[in-house]
Amino acid sequence: GAVVSQHPSWVICKSGTSVKIECRSLDFQATTMFWYRQFPKQSLMLMATSNEGSKATYEQGVEKDKFLINHASLTLSTLTVTSAHPEDSSFYICSASSGAGEQYFGPGTRLTVT
Amino acid sequence: AQSVTQLDSHVSVSEGTPVLLRCNYSSSYSPSLFWYVQHPNKGLQLLLKYTSAATLVKGINGFEAEFKKSETSFHLTKPSAHMSDAAEYFCVVSARNYGQNFVFGPGTRLSVLP
Repeated sequence: GAVVSQHPSWVICKSGTSVKIECRSLDFQATTMFWYRQFPKQSLMLMATSNEGSKATYEQGVEKDKFLINHASLTLSTLTVTSAHPEDSSFYICSASSGAGEQYFGPGTRLTVT
Repeated sequence: AQSVTQLDSHVSVSEGTPVLLRCNYSSSYSPSLFWYVQHPNKGLQLLLKYTSAATLVKGINGFEAEFKKSETSFHLTKPSAHMSDAAEYFCVVSARNYGQNFVFGPGTRLSVLP
């Protein structure tokens, strides 16, 4: 149980375009979803927290107009990287929580911006 | 506020020898503590967690960790390393009963030599 999926697992896009990443909780309802970013050989950094039906809360330094997060249902959250640039290339990982103090992590999405 | 220190950025052991990965935490609240493993280009896998029950926690793949409040430590151990244990390991703290945010340590890369 407690499976979280991400799609796509790997995406390449051209500079200036936008890309959407989906995060789904497959067998539970996620009241809260989290988006992390991980640079090579570094730890995970929390980007934002989203609760179903409300606006996401962004961590300091994360541009909310660049990283659009939508948590429209209890099983789906999306992260859209708008006007992507090479410096946005990274590994993006989502997690989901049903509110019991645990987070279940997705497999990650590797974004490469050329 | 919570923080995590992983004292070693890289640990190298021989196959069949014990593994010790060190983690110290700081938390303003009673903590929940987790260890995750990440293999290259993969998502996170939960090894074990402490959430206020027994201080010696047994996890998957022969790993265990002991919560020591007096030392603010949660070191990860395994009696005998296997080649498949080579990966990145993250210690994580969250404030039990005060939100769900996870704070990640910087990670320890474990190498296992044949």
